[in-house]
Amino acid sequence: DAEITQSPRHKITETGRQVTLACHQTWNHNNMFWYRQDLGHGLRLIHYSYGVHDTNKGEVSDGYSVSRSNTEDLPLTLESAASSQTSVYFCASSEGLGDSYEQYFGPGTRLTVT
Amino acid sequence: QKEVEQNSGPLSVPEGAIASLNCTYSDRGSQSFFWYRQYSGKSPELIMFIYSNGDKEDGRFTAQLNKASQYVSLLIRDSQPSDSATYLCAVTSGGSYIPTFGRGTSLIVHP
Repeated sequence: DAEITQSPRHKITETGRQVTLACHQTWNHNNMFWYRQDLGHGLRLIHYSYGVHDTNKGEVSDGYSVSRSNTEDLPLTLESAASSQTSVYFCASSEGLGDSYEQYFGPGTRLTVT
Repeated sequence: QKEVEQNSGPLSVPEGAIASLNCTYSDRGSQSFFWYRQYSGKSPELIMFIYSNGDKEDGRFTAQLNKASQYVSLLIRDSQPSDSATYLCAVTSGGSYIPTFGRGTSLIVHP
C-alpha cells in the first residue's frame, strides 16, 4: 500500500546543530508539504513543493530549508537548530492534479532542541 | 487573510449521541473543505471532504456545507469513545493546493 513515512520519529539535538528530517511518500504525489504543530498555534506551513526542483516558503520558513530532487522525498533541514524549533513536525502530500486537493499526513517527528 | 474558525471545546457528548462539530471560514472563494481527525500524539487523518453545497454521508459521518453562510459542519452519529479526538477543519480556495487549517475542536465521548 502507498504510504508516507517520516524519520526519525523522535530526535533530540543541541542548539546550533544542523538537523535533517526525512519525508518519503510512495503515493507518487506531486505536492509535498512540511508543517509544524505547537500548542496554541495549530498547524503552520513551513515549506512546500509542487514538483521536482520546485520549493516554496510557507508562513514560518525562517531557519528551515528544503530541496526536492525526486518525486518521493522532501527532506527538511534546520540550518542551526534553536530552542524555538522544538515542535512536532508533519510531512504531508497531495496528488496535485485537477480538483484533487486532499492532503495525507505522515506520522510526525517530535524534535527537541536543548 | 483567510481564516478558519473552530470552537476549541472540549465538546463532551454521551456514547450513542450525535456529535456536531462546526467550522466557519472567511474566504467566499473557498472551494474545498476537509475534516481531519487527530488522536493525541498522532498525525491528522483525513476522514471527509466535501466540495458542493449540501450533505455528504460516509458511514457514521456526515459533512454539511453551506457556502452562503460560510460554514461547514461534521456530524458523527452513534458517537463512540473511540471518536474522542481533536477534529481539524481545513479549507482551500482559488485553486490553491494549500489549505488553511482551523485550530481544531476537542471531542470527548464519555461512556
